[in-house]
Amino acid sequence: DGGITQSPKYLFRKEGQNVTLSCEQNLNHDAMYWYRQDPGQGLRLIYYSQIVNDFQKGDIAEGYSVSREKKESFPLTVTSAQKNPTAFYLCASSPLSGSGQPQHFGDGTRLSIL
Amino acid sequence: DAKTTQPPSMDCAEGRAANLPCNHSTISGNEYVYWYRQIHSQGPQYIIHGLKNNETNEMASLIITEDRKSSTLILPHATLRDTAVYYCIVRVMNNNDMRFGAGTRLTVKP
Repeated sequence: DGGITQSPKYLFRKEGQNVTLSCEQNLNHDAMYWYRQDPGQGLRLIYYSQIVNDFQKGDIAEGYSVSREKKESFPLTVTSAQKNPTAFYLCASSPLSGSGQPQHFGDGTRLSIL
Repeated sequence: DAKTTQPPSMDCAEGRAANLPCNHSTISGNEYVYWYRQIHSQGPQYIIHGLKNNETNEMASLIITEDRKSSTLILPHATLRDTAVYYCIVRVMNNNDMRFGAGTRLTVKP
């Protein structure tokens, strides 16, 4: 089945530790996105990428880093500089922006601090 | 992107139509209306989107008023599995950000 796979579903981080969240898509979409969702809140954009080897910061990029070495993959690293990383992280993909086509989301990774 | 206003919660009887309203009075001509829903602890699920005309797919219908200042998502025969938070989003076609607000929590009751 075509879709977006995020792993792991649950992740725990110790203070001062970097962790990487995986996002893979087999929809042949050019654009990929990372969002953060806090309890009872809407989604906030962290980073997005429209093409391999290129990405842009969203509204809350501080403390996060990404890479886009392959079209199918867009991993997110939550660094120790992110002081409040506990949240639900969502990855999405879409055809190139400008087409009006919707973004499609994975099932998320829930990150907690030990 | 235009701001949207949705009621915080709604109830619907199982088997009846669920009509979820969304106000987007500041929408501009090149902004689409998108609807998503999110079941607890899952990622948002795309439902439907439209620009000017009413749209229908296997999940729902989207009715956009002629002045485009409001829209209604219709689930024709709601089931218990339709219980979720429903989000109405207005976005310019070349914008990368899906700005989800608080949405409407729909509870379908037996």
